[in-house]
This record gives sequence, C-alpha cells and structure tokens, in this order.
Amino acid sequence: DIQMTQSPSSLPASLGDRVTITCRASQDIGNYLRWFQQKPGKSPRLMIYGATNLAAGVPSRFSGSRSGSDYSLTISSLESEDMADYYCLQSKESPYTFGAGTKLELK
Amino acid sequence: QVQLKESGPGLVQPSRTLSLTCTVSGFSLTSYGVSWVRQPPGKGLEWIAAIWSGGSTDYNSALKSRLSISRDTSKSQVLLKMNSLQTEDTAMYFCARSLGDAWGQGASVTVSS
Repeated sequence: DIQMTQSPSSLPASLGDRVTITCRASQDIGNYLRWFQQKPGKSPRLMIYGATNLAAGVPSRFSGSRSGSDYSLTISSLESEDMADYYCLQSKESPYTFGAGTKLELK
Repeated sequence: QVQLKESGPGLVQPSRTLSLTCTVSGFSLTSYGVSWVRQPPGKGLEWIAAIWSGGSTDYNSALKSRLSISRDTSKSQVLLKMNSLQTEDTAMYFCARSLGDAWGQGASVTVSS
C-alpha cells in the first residue's frame, strides 16, 4: 500500500499568515493527490484535486503544489473560516490512502 | 444537485455484521463511483471501499476480508457490509462520490454490547 506521511500534525497560526501543509508519498503517485478540509462535526470538503487544481467554489487563497514526492497545500493569507483539519489522499491506486491529518488552529 | 445520504443501524453488537446504505441523487451510479470512508471519534479519515461506474470494486487491504460493497442502480443505492464487528469499528461512516467530489453527512456507528 502507498503510505502518505503528512506534516505537521498540528499547526498554530495567526490570521493573515501564509501556511503550508505537506504530504510525502512512499512511492510515485504522479499528480494523483487530493486535499480535503474538514470542520468539526462536518463532512470533508474537496479543496484540491490533481495536486494543483482548485475544486469548485474554493477560494483562490488556497493552492496546491508538487515537488517530487512532496505535495503541499498552501493558504496564502489565513482567514478564520480556514481553521479546520486538512487531509491529503492519494488517488493513484487502490487501496487509496489518506494522510494522518493536520489540525490548523489559531495561535 | 448532487446528494448522498447514509443510513444504518446506529448501534451494532460485537461480532455482528454492519449494513450501511448510501442513497444518491443528482447523478447516476453507472456514471460515477461511490466510496466509503470512516472516521473513528477524534481520529483521521480511513478509506474503506469503492464501487465504480462499471461495477468493479476496491477494498482497504486491512479490512478486505470483512467487507462487501455492492449497488442497486435501480434504487440509486450503494450497500456496504462489514462482518465480525469490533469496538475499534466504532466510527462515523461517510459515503462519497468517486474519491470525495461530494460527501454525505455521515452515519454514526457504535459497536457495543
């Protein structure tokens, strides 16, 4: 199975900060990487697909990038509504695997 | 619009079989796949299984021996069965279109005697 190592597990940040969350794949997944946002008590929401493509309705302050086997989700200027848990998912092959998650919280 | 809704028993006894149903609207099961994802209380997301538009299926490696996913296209429903339930299977179970394009609200499952 492909392992997705996500870091950090917790990320304290201030409003207006630029923040980055990273996932590293244990083997080649190309651009088959998705990012999800989940707020407490809610279902996950697709934010990024194909490593770099913004899902419908997602604010432009969110972006995705890839450097080799490292995939990043960046929020350019943190807003209060962005406080949530974030997960990556490799969609290259079954069994599909999530990263362990990152809790983004106010410093 | 695209909607998914999970339904299930809520409480299941250990060693019994869990049956969950995902009823979809706004899209066809012959055009899109459906995945199941679960989340134990306070923990992360775990992909469980998927059934694709052509009817093929995929399963989580660690759970494969306990899982069965099927569909009834006439009812727009996807069915997940998991046997030999243990307390560790207590979780919120979500169904999602494909690999997370859209999600249901989730069904809470507690495994307890």
